Amino acid sequence: DAKTTQPPSMDCAEGRAANLPCNHSTISGNEYVYWYRQIHSQGPQYIIHGLKNNETNEMASLIITEDRKSSTLILPHATLRDTAVYYCIVRVNTDKLIFGTGTRLQVFP
Amino acid sequence: DTAVSQTPKYLVTQMGNDKSIKCEQNLGHDTMYWYKQDSKKFLKIMFSYNNKELIINETVPNRFSPKSPDKAHLNLHINSLELGDSAVYFCASSLSRAGELFFGEGSRLTVL
Repeated sequence: DAKTTQPPSMDCAEGRAANLPCNHSTISGNEYVYWYRQIHSQGPQYIIHGLKNNETNEMASLIITEDRKSSTLILPHATLRDTAVYYCIVRVNTDKLIFGTGTRLQVFP
Repeated sequence: DTAVSQTPKYLVTQMGNDKSIKCEQNLGHDTMYWYKQDSKKFLKIMFSYNNKELIINETVPNRFSPKSPDKAHLNLHINSLELGDSAVYFCASSLSRAGELFFGEGSRLTVL
């Protein structure tokens, strides 16, 4: 079973920052937080992952709270092409990736 | 070139038939996976192979038999297809068991 809780859906205006929350209150010390997204009918796409520190790459930023019980994925300037289902996953490094129900992000013009 | 490619993309078949889905990755990865996404969009892992060795088998019916002839290929053979097997099957690969997964575009199987 997935160990994360995400809102089922969110809206965001194009050009604005999209902040997607995730709760993982039972996370263990050796579990990473991963984010993937699935654009309609395509295969899931890796976005970013982190353990304790905040992370940033060309796609997004990941903010993890100090107690690691929650995190936020930030898409700094959302575009229409960012409309997708976003999955927050906790995972021990070599363990299987278990997908939950995710957050359906709708970016509107 | 597509990093993880699956064939066929669409497959429509009758109950009771046997079918195969092929997957190839050109990323030089050691680990490959099969995931199933049902009509409710739940993505579930089925199998994982690392260096041609089965490491994850998620209590999938034994009508499903994965085969990895080499590190770059992981095929999925399904015997005696049932209506409930209708789904999109995704192949994925990762550099190692700890790496991020790269997914293929999926193979939509419809059993009539």
